Amino acid sequence: GENVEQHPSTLSVQEGDSAVIKCTYSDSASNYFPWYKQELGKRPQLIIDIRSNVGEKKDQRIAVTLNKTAKHFSLHITETQPEDSAVYFCAATTGTYKYIFGTGTRLKVLA
Amino acid sequence: GAVVSQHPSRVICKSGTSVKIECRSLDFQATTMFWYRQFPKKSLMLMATSNEGSKATYEQGVEKDKFLINHASLTLSTLTVTSAHPEDSSFYICSARILAGGTDTQYFGPGTRLTVL
Repeated sequence: GENVEQHPSTLSVQEGDSAVIKCTYSDSASNYFPWYKQELGKRPQLIIDIRSNVGEKKDQRIAVTLNKTAKHFSLHITETQPEDSAVYFCAATTGTYKYIFGTGTRLKVLA
Repeated sequence: GAVVSQHPSRVICKSGTSVKIECRSLDFQATTMFWYRQFPKKSLMLMATSNEGSKATYEQGVEKDKFLINHASLTLSTLTVTSAHPEDSSFYICSARILAGGTDTQYFGPGTRLTVL
């Protein structure tokens, strides 16, 4: 079955710097890759997603890139702000709508 | 749009009792909902897929007699933790699948923190 690895597990950046979180997946049939942001004790919130027919997608300060050949995708956050501090989860699905989540990255943006 | 509610948000119960958690899609119909369990500082572990009008599909290692799931309508799925024990203490989160505009996305409820004494 699908396996999703996520790195790093923790990431600290200075406010204004960029943050990059990487995920790799094992099932080449995976075709949808969402990213969720979860603040402490809160629900995961969808922040951006990408489908396998697209290589990159951007939404303001957030972007996601996908390399199907290497089976990895990355989340890029530019001009980080303290409110970006949270746990970020990547996920992959083959279209059977069952998500396999990565292990999460705790991002700390230092003011 | 795409709001998912969960009730209760927090519950404390004695060992041996049963606890029911409700998951509702407020502004859309969800034929499929999912139940996850999340341990502190850990990822979301899928427990089961809840399908409206049919039996839930459980993930390997999840006891279906322990975690009863009922998806009686297009907007409501319930998870009942039967004969709860301290090891069942966890954060339980549901999500609802939505198909709109060619996209297939899950939206999460706010979670229920269960503490079994």
